Amino acid sequence: AQSVSQHNHHVILSEAASLELGCNYSYGGTVNLFWYVQYPGQHLQLLLKYFSGDPLVKGIKGFEAEFIKSKFSFNLRKPSVQWSDTAEYFCAARVSTGRRALTFGSGTRLQVQP
Amino acid sequence: GAVVSQHPSWVICKSGTSVKIECRSLDFQATTMFWYRQFPKQSLMLMATSNEGSKATYEQGVEKDKFLINHASLTLSTLTVTSAHPEDSSFYICSARDGGMGTDTQYFGPGTRLTVL
Repeated sequence: AQSVSQHNHHVILSEAASLELGCNYSYGGTVNLFWYVQYPGQHLQLLLKYFSGDPLVKGIKGFEAEFIKSKFSFNLRKPSVQWSDTAEYFCAARVSTGRRALTFGSGTRLQVQP
Repeated sequence: GAVVSQHPSWVICKSGTSVKIECRSLDFQATTMFWYRQFPKQSLMLMATSNEGSKATYEQGVEKDKFLINHASLTLSTLTVTSAHPEDSSFYICSARDGGMGTDTQYFGPGTRLTVL
């Protein structure tokens, strides 16, 4: 069965610290990968996505993610977090053909302390 | 980016009544829309896939007679929770797929919080 795993459920960082959130997927075939962010009280927003090509993907707000096929991973990184990055982060995946429905990871709650 | 709206943003209803939630893509046409359910502090669980002009595809365990989905146009999908019960209380989120060239991304609505008394 297709699945997405996020191993960090709750991360607490100080401002300016570096961030890496793990995401692993279990899919057969070619996958599309996404990171979404949900700020408190707001809807899901797309941070970045990977379909093909350069495995290092740059997104909005200084975030980037690296697709490592051999490790079935798509970890999210940011060199220096800000208090405004406090939010819930969701990794998602889907097969590249067919119904296009997303499977979400369980989410990681990031808390950045001033 | 593309905008998806949901209406209402929150609704409180009595047990046994039906509630309709609308999902609209405002600046693009969406042949496919998805309905998710999110429990507190949990991830999104896909309920069904809605295709314009055809029957929705429901995920295993989701009652199609309870959660009626209609996708009558390229910009509107509706989810009707029929004979709602307190266990149906949840946060319902829709997304619309923008399948245009070079994009093919889902954009999410702000969600609808349903409370069944």
